[in-house]
Amino acid sequence: GAGVSQSPSNKVTEKGKDVELRCDPISGHTALYWYRQRLGQGLEFLIYFQGNSAPDKSGLPSDRFSAERTGESVSTLTIQRTQQEDSAVYLCASSQRSGNTIYFGEGSWLTVV
Amino acid sequence: AQSVTQPDIHITVSEGASLELRCNYSYGATPYLFWYVQSPGQGLQLLLKYFSGDTLVQGIKGFEAEFKRSQSSFNLRKPSVHWSDAAEYFCAVGGPESASKIIFGSGTRLSIRP
Repeated sequence: GAGVSQSPSNKVTEKGKDVELRCDPISGHTALYWYRQRLGQGLEFLIYFQGNSAPDKSGLPSDRFSAERTGESVSTLTIQRTQQEDSAVYLCASSQRSGNTIYFGEGSWLTVV
Repeated sequence: AQSVTQPDIHITVSEGASLELRCNYSYGATPYLFWYVQSPGQGLQLLLKYFSGDTLVQGIKGFEAEFKRSQSSFNLRKPSVHWSDAAEYFCAVGGPESASKIIFGSGTRLSIRP
C-alpha cells in the first residue's frame, strides 16, 4: 500500500481483556517495528522483524505482549489480560531493509479502563 | 547496546532565534542517525538522516544536523525558528547490520515564544 496502515485507530477495552492490533506495512518493506508511546513520553521499542530472521523481542515489557508477522506482510501485536498501564499509542513502522529510514503508521490508540 | 540520549526535555526559544537540539548516541559501529518530528496530534515525520559521507546533512523545513563521531553526537540545528516548529523532536540511531533495530531517544519538546 501507499503507507503503513494500522487498525484499529482507537480501541477502548476493559482491564483484563485481550486486544489485538494490526499493522500492514508498505509493500516490499522487509523490516517492521512496533513501538509504544505513552502520553507525553518518548517511543519505546517493543519488537523488530527483519525478513525471515528471528524477531528481536528484547523490548517487549512482559509475557502478556506478543507479536507475529507472516512473511513480509501483516503483523499483529497481541496484549493479553490488559492493564491500565498498557494505555498508550502503539506505533508500527516499516522500512525497506534493516537500519534504513522507517515510515510510521498513524498508530493505534489503546485505552484500558 | 545501542542507545540515544536527548538531554533536554523541554526547550523554549523565541521566534526568529536559532535552535540547537542535542542528541548523543551509543552504537558499536558506524551508526545510521535520524531526526523525526511529531507535531501535536500528528504522526512522526522524518526531518533528516545520516548514513555516510558528508557529516553535515540538510533536511526539510530548513533543519540541518551534524554528525560528530568523536563526540558521539548528532545535534539538530535551525538558524531561525518559526512558530510552526513547535513540536516534539526525536533523535534515533540504527545501523546497516541486518540485526540492527532503530532506537529512539526520549524526545525534546520545543516551544516557541512569540
